[in-house]
Amino acid sequence: KNQVEQSPQSLIILEGKNCTLQCNYTVSPFSNLRWYKQDTGRGPVSLTIMTFSENTKSNGRYTATLDADTKQSSLHITASQLSDSASYICVVSGGVSGGYNKLIFGAGTRLAVHP
Amino acid sequence: DTGVSQDPRHKITKRGQNVTFRCDPISEHNRLYWYRQTLGQGPEFLTYFQNEAQLEKSRLLSDRFSAERPKGSFSTLEIQRTEQGDSAMYLCASSWGTGMGYTFGSGTRLTVV
Repeated sequence: KNQVEQSPQSLIILEGKNCTLQCNYTVSPFSNLRWYKQDTGRGPVSLTIMTFSENTKSNGRYTATLDADTKQSSLHITASQLSDSASYICVVSGGVSGGYNKLIFGAGTRLAVHP
Repeated sequence: DTGVSQDPRHKITKRGQNVTFRCDPISEHNRLYWYRQTLGQGPEFLTYFQNEAQLEKSRLLSDRFSAERPKGSFSTLEIQRTEQGDSAMYLCASSWGTGMGYTFGSGTRLTVV
């Protein structure tokens, strides 16, 4: 079964600290892995996209890693800011059906950054 | 082009009423997707269009749900005889083919009372 599991479910950190969010997946065939940031009441916004051959990608203070062998990814946030408070969703593209490269969504990690 | 637009942002309706949501994708995108998201969960796929053709529908899309994309541009999602369980955020996304330019709208928050 195609699944994406994220941990932790929620996380509280102090402003300025770093944190790492985890994503494990069982999706086949695999096309790419994306991390999205979703503010409350808003749609998800793309942070990074990685294909099979990429094992790290950065977007400002966000750095994603991918280990396609172990089917694990992480999102590292450096020097957190209050505006980083949001849900972070791991999404794996794959499991092709009817020409649509399905996006399999994780449930997200809810991050709260406190002053 | 300002991205994917959804209207309305919020909708409160009484149980049993019909509601319709609209999505305007990024103009050069040929694929359009609808998702439903409940609190604390990731988005769940409902259906997608390539141009005006509806190519796939999820089991979540009951007979009360219908989606259209008549001219291959904007799309509408209608829910008939709404139920309290329909309360959710309805997200629209668009892309060019299966490519990387997958962009979500801000969603329509539906509350059925």
